[in-house]
Amino acid sequence: NAGVTQTPKFRVLKTGQSMTLLCAQDMNHEYMYWYRQDPGMGLRLIHYSVGEGTTAKGEVPDGYNVSRLKKQNFLLGLESAAPSQTSVYFCASRSLRGTAGYTFGSGTRLTVV
Amino acid sequence: TQLLEQSPQFLSIQEGENLTVYCNSSSVFSSLQWYRQEPGEGPVLLVTVVTGGEVKKLKRLTFQFGDARKDSSLHITAAQPGDTGLYLCAGLAGTYKYIFGTGTRLKVLA
Repeated sequence: NAGVTQTPKFRVLKTGQSMTLLCAQDMNHEYMYWYRQDPGMGLRLIHYSVGEGTTAKGEVPDGYNVSRLKKQNFLLGLESAAPSQTSVYFCASRSLRGTAGYTFGSGTRLTVV
Repeated sequence: TQLLEQSPQFLSIQEGENLTVYCNSSSVFSSLQWYRQEPGEGPVLLVTVVTGGEVKKLKRLTFQFGDARKDSSLHITAAQPGDTGLYLCAGLAGTYKYIFGTGTRLKVLA
């Protein structure tokens, strides 16, 4: 079972460059999320989606855009990368059931220089 | 803004010792989850608690949800090196998303 797959696993960007992080899930989950993890700050929600074609802002959405054109995919874009966006990014999905837990991907480590 | 504070932030203990990790908030949560994260991996769900006062056991791990549903604890009995990792609590904020705590990094020495 693949679960949640993130690509790439590592990336180094120069300030001002753009990139897209890809997330794919094969569990037919309705909800998908993008979090960033920084030392001492836990996981912070960037954007999330409650269904195909819908997205919403989380706690720290500035500088990021997302799209969910297909139910199984959730894309996170950085239009003009900044050093403050250096972080580990996690994608997660969960089912509609109220207390269902997240299934996380293994993360993308992004460094902006 | 709903916040979840975890304590302690770091914990280093010897194999066989017991420990308790706390997760506290001023907000009420309809459910709370605990995750464990190992280096280079995403968090993995350990348990979900939904009822005030609820206690759940998972082998040597005991989870408790506070009566007022504002806090939770994780107790590990006879810790083993395999318990090493980052422990995260997460509270359901609304219908769709969980808010994560700041995390407790546990290291169990053999």
